[in-house]
This record gives sequence, C-alpha cells and structure tokens, in this order.
Amino acid sequence: NAGVTQTPKFRILKIGQSMTLQCTQDMNHNYMYWYRQDPGMGLKLIYYSVGAGITDKGEVPNGYNVSRSTTEDFPLRLELAAPSQTSVYFCASRRATDTQYFGPGTRLTVL
Amino acid sequence: AQSVTQLDSHVSVSEGTPVLLRCNYSSSYSPSLFWYVQHPNKGLQLLLKYTSAATLVKGINGFEAEFKKSETSFHLTKPSAHMSDAAEYFCVVSDRENQGGKLIFGQGTELSVKP
Repeated sequence: NAGVTQTPKFRILKIGQSMTLQCTQDMNHNYMYWYRQDPGMGLKLIYYSVGAGITDKGEVPNGYNVSRSTTEDFPLRLELAAPSQTSVYFCASRRATDTQYFGPGTRLTVL
Repeated sequence: AQSVTQLDSHVSVSEGTPVLLRCNYSSSYSPSLFWYVQHPNKGLQLLLKYTSAATLVKGINGFEAEFKKSETSFHLTKPSAHMSDAAEYFCVVSDRENQGGKLIFGQGTELSVKP
C-alpha cells in the first residue's frame, strides 16, 4: 500500500491564481481530512469528509473548496490565492478508529 | 471541549540522556491521545496512541507515554536520546464528537539532541 499520497510536493503561486492539491489514499478509508500547518504551529482542520459525496467545513475553510466523488480521492481547491494561504498542507485519512494517517504534505507559497 | 497544551516549546538534551516532553490535556470524555513526530521538511509519523487500555503506552523507536487521569497529563519519555530523535513532536487529542473526529494539535515541542 502506498498509504496517503499528495501532489505536488511544492508549489509557488501568484496572488489571485488558482490550483488544486491532490490527495489519494489506497486504504479504503471512509474519513479524509485536509489540514494546514503554519510556521511554528500545530495543524488546523480545513475540510473533512466522512465518505464519498459528503464533505463539511473544518476550523479554517475560507478560501478553499473540496469535493469527494470517490472513496480514494479528496482534492483541495484554492481559488484566488492569497499570501495568507502560504502554508504546508497535509491530507489525512482514517477508518473507524481514531488514528489518522498523513500524507507527506504540499508546501505552498503565495507571492 | 478538547484541547492539549504542550508545556515546552523547545527541549534540548545530550545524546544518551533521558527525554521528557510534557503534555496536558483537557477533555469532556475519556480521550484518545496521540504523539506524532515530524522531522524537518517531512510529514507526520505516529509515535504512539492511548485509547483507554493500558495507561503506559509503548511506541516506536523506544518512546513511551503514560496517561495520568488525575493529572490530566500524557508526557512522552525516552530513556536515552539519539541524534536521530531531533525533530518536532506534537501531542494530539481526537475530538470524537465534532468535525468527523478531527485531531486537535498542541503547539509542538522542538527536541534538539547535542552530541
């Protein structure tokens, strides 16, 4: 199993551009999450999904959108990128237990 | 509401000496608690988890943590530090009742290991 994979690893955007961060898991997990990690901080929840077709907002959803058309994929869309969205983005998934498994992260810089 | 507080933002030890990273939690029910480690520019790796079984939890790489309900603590320890232990450590609680069971992270403790 590859676990949770994320692409791209790094990206630089200009203010106002859009992009999609990809997340895929091959563990057949129902629950998937997007977190962001700002420098020197822990992670904050952006969006989550409890299964295909079901998504909901987390603590810091503004400026982002998600979709969940399949169990495996949970892409995060940034519209109109802003410098405040400069961060490291982590995707995670879990099954029924509490343990979440994390992807390697995407480091995004908005200039 | 669930929360965790890591009491030290930075801990420095010498190689071969014990490691203690402190974490206090707040929970309205019996919590699930975790320690994750993040090496520089890397993702998060689960070190260990507590889910109401044994109060002393053993993890990977010689780390362990003890759940103390009376003190609302979940401190991480290792008898002998290795250079490769230098990393950021996060104490985490699962919020089972909200937002799909999201994880709530502490601020992190940076562990430095001197030769």
